[in-house]
Amino acid sequence: EAGVAQSPRYKIIEKRQSVAFWCNPISGHATLYWYQQILGQGPKLLIQFQNNGVVDDSQLPKDRFSAERLKGVDSTLKIQPAKLEDSAVYLCASSSRVGAGEQFFGPGTRLTVL
Amino acid sequence: GENVEQHPSTLSVQEGDSAVIKCTYSDSASNYFPWYKQELGKGPQLIIDIRSNVGEKKDQRIAVTLNKTAKHFSLHITETQPEDSAVYFCAASIGSNDYKLSFGAGTTVTVRA
Repeated sequence: EAGVAQSPRYKIIEKRQSVAFWCNPISGHATLYWYQQILGQGPKLLIQFQNNGVVDDSQLPKDRFSAERLKGVDSTLKIQPAKLEDSAVYLCASSSRVGAGEQFFGPGTRLTVL
Repeated sequence: GENVEQHPSTLSVQEGDSAVIKCTYSDSASNYFPWYKQELGKGPQLIIDIRSNVGEKKDQRIAVTLNKTAKHFSLHITETQPEDSAVYFCAASIGSNDYKLSFGAGTTVTVRA
């Protein structure tokens, strides 16, 4: 079974630029999560999708972050404009159902904002 | 909101010895407590989890204990091996929502050969 795929693996941008990350969850997994992991900290949930609908985006900084999952499969997370404090690893995870069950994580995208 | 504290931040053990990592949480409604292992350059991987109706769970060399009264839970790794070297994260559900997890800051475990 293929795991969660993410790209790019690394990205370096200047502050105020825009950046987008892509995630393809495990086939058949209805629930998709985006996390932000700052160096030395645990992952922090940004947004959760069930199919193509948002279940929870209470911790997403909506003034600069946006995410979509148009066809209920892959997803993109965008930051516009980026700030220095956005430097982190952005992890995507998926699970087969909401409310319970193991979350499978992708390898993450390491973002550096200069 | 839920606050999860994890100790120690780093742990060095001799191969074959045991490793123990402890976490405390603040939300009495939390009912799901997973542990994740993260190797360099990879995403976290679930290694064991426990729910609030269970006090202890074991899977080969890994065990987790939960004390709901004291709001703390621990990970025990016995007979450590070099491949156990990684960062370990505890997490607790925010309320009764299993999907919404609050993570600890992580423990870097180094197993010395």
